[in-house]
Amino acid sequence: AQTVTQSQPEMSVQEAETVTLSCTYDTSESDYYLFWYKQPPSRQMILVIRQEAYKQQNATENRFSVNFQKAAKSFSLKISDSQLGDAAMYFCAYRSAYGGSQGNLIFGKGTKLSVKP
Amino acid sequence: GAGVSQSPRYKVAKRGQDVALRCDPISGHVSLFWYQQALGQGPEFLTYFQNEAQLDKSGLPSDRFFAERPEGSVSTLKIQRTQQEDSAVYLCASSLAWGGDTQYFGPGTRLTVL
Repeated sequence: AQTVTQSQPEMSVQEAETVTLSCTYDTSESDYYLFWYKQPPSRQMILVIRQEAYKQQNATENRFSVNFQKAAKSFSLKISDSQLGDAAMYFCAYRSAYGGSQGNLIFGKGTKLSVKP
Repeated sequence: GAGVSQSPRYKVAKRGQDVALRCDPISGHVSLFWYQQALGQGPEFLTYFQNEAQLDKSGLPSDRFFAERPEGSVSTLKIQRTQQEDSAVYLCASSLAWGGDTQYFGPGTRLTVL
């Protein structure tokens, strides 16, 4: 079974600085998708960025980028120029790409990010 | 609609009561997922629908949990004889198809069982 581990329960960053959130996962599959979701206090889960495992190029989305290391099974999220609105819980998630699976997401326990003004 | 909607947003039930939680997915989305999120934890998968067919219910914690999506659009998660351990946020997500499509989440229903 696949597992996702986020080893940092809480992180803090100064406004305008850069922060990196860690995520590791365990799988025997070679094809899958990885996601970072943001969950502000209002609870609506919002997709931040996604990565297809077959793509070697790291995904970027404006101030958000990932460092995807397939061999190490590592998928970290870098937030540049942090803003107060970035404060939230961040979840790393895994999704199988195989046809036999239902495609449900497997989540880590989350990292609570605080942004200091 | 513009996004996934869920109702009610908050539900308080006395132990032993039955509850029904509703999810309205994005129009045209084939796949619908239910997740349970305990306090301080990541969401955990409950069940999956492709159109009206419930293809996976392996995550449902007990036979008190039942989900349906009779017309392939709106879905209802029903919990019978609620217990305190059922207290959690119940999240619904939909995606356009299966594949690697992104799942879009609703705001969730916070269920508190007293």
